[in-house]
Amino acid sequence: DIVMTQSPSSLAVSAGETVTINCKSSQSLLSSGNQKNYLAWYQQKPGQSPKLLIYLASTRESGVPDRFIGSGSGTDFTLTISSVQAEDLADYYCQQHYSYPLTFGSGTKLEIK
Amino acid sequence: EVQILETGGGLVKPGGSLRLSCATSGFNFNDYFMNWVRQAPGKGLEWVAQIRNKNYNYATYYAESLEGRVTISRDDSKSSVYLQVSSLRAEDTAIYYCTRSRRGDYWGQGVMVTVSS
Repeated sequence: DIVMTQSPSSLAVSAGETVTINCKSSQSLLSSGNQKNYLAWYQQKPGQSPKLLIYLASTRESGVPDRFIGSGSGTDFTLTISSVQAEDLADYYCQQHYSYPLTFGSGTKLEIK
Repeated sequence: EVQILETGGGLVKPGGSLRLSCATSGFNFNDYFMNWVRQAPGKGLEWVAQIRNKNYNYATYYAESLEGRVTISRDDSKSSVYLQVSSLRAEDTAIYYCTRSRRGDYWGQGVMVTVSS
């Protein structure tokens, strides 16, 4: 199984700051066939279902603000949230959808000071 | 508008079984893989199972921690997917979400399953 290691587990920032969340996979998520990385990022606000933010490591889902940026390749990935807003208070998860079983990172809790 | 609605949760005794249903609308169900993902109270997300579409012979995949106790199925005529879970344990207590596609682009609101005597 591919193990997804996410860090940090939590962080607190002030509105307007930039946040970086890291996700490392135990195996490469890069497909040699199409050069795509099968890594997604989700946001789960308190009391809500998760919402897809980013897929294929860097493609923003429709309607997601452009302050959410996914990057990385192979085994190391990053979700950057620029100019954090109060509404970004949430848990964030990475997930690999490269091979079965699909696996999630343990999550990052983002708090706003 | 894509809609996903899970039903069938509730309180179940250890060792029991239940069948969760996920009704969908607003998209061509036949075109999509479907998943179940669960979240224990206060914990992270855990992928449970996926069923592919007809083009992929309805292939199924399961989390190893649940394999042998769960069965995912679908009925394209009803745009619905199902999860049968047996030999339930306290650690199966969770919100179970139905999600669309391999990358999980749409999620239902979830259904709570509580396993307790």
